[in-house]
Amino acid sequence: GAVVSQHPSRVICKSGTSVKIECRSLDFQATTMFWYRQFPKKSLMLMATSNEGSKATYEQGVEKDKFLINHASLTLSTLTVTSAHPEDSSFYICSATDKGAIDTQYFGPGTRLTVL
Amino acid sequence: RKEVEQDPGPFNVPEGATVAFNCTYSNSASQSFFWYRQDCRKEPKLLMSVYSSGNEDGRFTAQLNRASQYISLLIRDSKLSDSATYLCVVTRNTGKLIFGQGTTLQVKP
Repeated sequence: GAVVSQHPSRVICKSGTSVKIECRSLDFQATTMFWYRQFPKKSLMLMATSNEGSKATYEQGVEKDKFLINHASLTLSTLTVTSAHPEDSSFYICSATDKGAIDTQYFGPGTRLTVL
Repeated sequence: RKEVEQDPGPFNVPEGATVAFNCTYSNSASQSFFWYRQDCRKEPKLLMSVYSSGNEDGRFTAQLNRASQYISLLIRDSKLSDSATYLCVVTRNTGKLIFGQGTTLQVKP
């Protein structure tokens, strides 16, 4: 099946620093990638939808200047959490849809961010 | 009101038991319906799609009632390995997935 990787799997950083998370589709071309955030014991919340070569579409309440998304190629999207604060600590998960099967989302393994 | 509502549980059941989870959704325009499974600190994984005609996969049966906007998942002969959080998911016509909070299942020996 389709594989999506995320890097890093876990990151701990100081407040005020920026953190970049990569999401890669390893064996397929991803027309669309999605970024989610999940707080403990809560549901996954969609943050933004990213299409290759165009600007990301952010969900209501998600600050686009704080969560920078770049989708430069059909296999790579990045999420940068800028000037991270402790309240940004969360589980960030990406997913990707295959060009040939747009109804199915394949999830990456997630990145656990802890901001001290 | 949340767009997808689930009882968070936890449901504690003995091995071999039958357990049922329910989910309601508020947007009548929702198009597709799924159950995902999420293990602790892992990504969600698709368990099965849900159709009005019902969908069975081994010990798992999913059902959709569009009139009542209600989705169910039945697990028969529970195994220890079934312990996880089960996420009810609906899609809009935009293709976005809307996740419920999840229902936690603990199967005890």
